[in-house]
Amino acid sequence: NAGVTQTPKFQVLKTGQSMTLQCAQDMNHNSMYWYRQDPGMGLRLIYYSASEGTTDKGEVPNGYNVSRLNKREFSLRLESAAPSQTSVYFCASSVRSNQPQHFGDGTRLSIL
Amino acid sequence: EDQVTQSPEALRLQEGESSSLNCSYTVSGLRGLFWYRQDPGKGPEFLFTLYSAGEEKEKERLKATLTKKESFLHITAPKPEDSATYLCAVPPPGHYGGSQGNLIFGKGTKLSVKP
Repeated sequence: NAGVTQTPKFQVLKTGQSMTLQCAQDMNHNSMYWYRQDPGMGLRLIYYSASEGTTDKGEVPNGYNVSRLNKREFSLRLESAAPSQTSVYFCASSVRSNQPQHFGDGTRLSIL
Repeated sequence: EDQVTQSPEALRLQEGESSSLNCSYTVSGLRGLFWYRQDPGKGPEFLFTLYSAGEEKEKERLKATLTKKESFLHITAPKPEDSATYLCAVPPPGHYGGSQGNLIFGKGTKLSVKP
């Protein structure tokens, strides 16, 4: 039971570097999401994709881009990493919008 | 502004000591409330969905209830393995389905159960 798989699990970047976080789900879900989780801030939505072929901004989209590659895969790209983007990033998926979301185990990203 | 507030921020219990966690919300036109459990180093794990006031859901030592303004997660005779952060979340108001897919999460209650 893979569920939602995120790669890599850990990453250290230097300021200004770029990186793509990968996410894949094997539950045939239509909707996918990217969150960041910071101490004292809780989970905040970066971008989501209600269905294949659509993406929308969430609460904190600045500095990020996303690609819904196909129904299974949803990637998050940092074009020019900044220390403020140091966080734990979670990908999630759901059958459709407003249904329970199922999360991966996160990518821990540090930007120096 | 729509908001989800959880209390307390942290709760320490002795094994077997029952208690409740609170999730209050100000979202109008509630279309579901979700409870999640998060262990350190892991992603949130879905527990329950509640849709209407008066509804209750149970799973092992956990029981979730919903009123028009808040939800409670009751923990009966907890064990150390129940230690985790418990999160609640609600969908924002707006069109059902379509592009309104995100959830508004509370900041969680960190539960510690000592043997």
